Amino acid sequence: SQTIHQWPATLVQPVGSPLSLECTVEGTSNPNLYWYRQAAGRGLQLLFYSVGIGQISSEVPQNLSASRPQDRQFILSSKKLLLSDSGFYLCAWSTQGDQPQHFGDGTRLSIL
Amino acid sequence: GESVGLHLPTLSVQEGDNSIINCAYSNSASDYFIWYKQESGKGPQFIIDIRSNMDKRQGQRVTVLLNKTVKHLSLQIAATQPGDSAVYFCAENWGEYGNKLVFGAGTILRVKS
Repeated sequence: SQTIHQWPATLVQPVGSPLSLECTVEGTSNPNLYWYRQAAGRGLQLLFYSVGIGQISSEVPQNLSASRPQDRQFILSSKKLLLSDSGFYLCAWSTQGDQPQHFGDGTRLSIL
Repeated sequence: GESVGLHLPTLSVQEGDNSIINCAYSNSASDYFIWYKQESGKGPQFIIDIRSNMDKRQGQRVTVLLNKTVKHLSLQIAATQPGDSAVYFCAENWGEYGNKLVFGAGTILRVKS
C-alpha cells in the first residue's frame, strides 16, 4: 500500500532562518505531488504541485520554493523565513490530477 | 474569484443521529469533488468523491449528493458516532489536468454522547 511521510512534525524557527521540509511517498511511481499550507481554522491553500521530477508549478507568489529531486521526494524550502510563513504545511500525492489526493500528517511551523 | 464555501461553520449532533454537511461551489467548470475529514493535528483524510456526471454516491455510512443546478454539494453521515467528530472539508478539482484542489473553509462536526 502507499504511504506518505512528512518530517519534522513540528518545527520552531527564528525569522530569517532557512527552511527545508521533506516529503516522501512509498508504494507508487510517478505520483503527482503537492504542498499545501493551512492557516489556523482555515482551509488548505495549494502552494506547489509537481507532475514529475524537476517539474514544479507555483500557485501563489511567496517566500517559498519547492523541488523534486527524485520521483517520490518533494521538498519545500525557504532561504529566509518570515513571520507570515507560520502555519501547518501538508504534503499530498495522487496518481493523476483527477484522482483523490492523499495527505501526510503535516509539519507545524512556528516562526519566532 | 472562484471559491468553494460552506454554509455552517459548526454542526452539533447527537450520537446516533444523521449529520448533513453542506457546501457551495462557484466554479461551474469543476467536474470532480471530494470530501475530507481532518482530525486535530493530522492531515485531511479522504472520505468520498463524486464526479459531475453523477448526482449521488454512497460509501460506508456516508453519502455525497451533488446538485449541479444550484452548485451544491452535501455529505450525509448516517448514525453519527463520536469518532466522526472532526473538521470536514469539501474540495473541487479543476485546472489543467485537474491538478488544483480548491478547499472550502471547513465545518466542525461535534458529536454529543
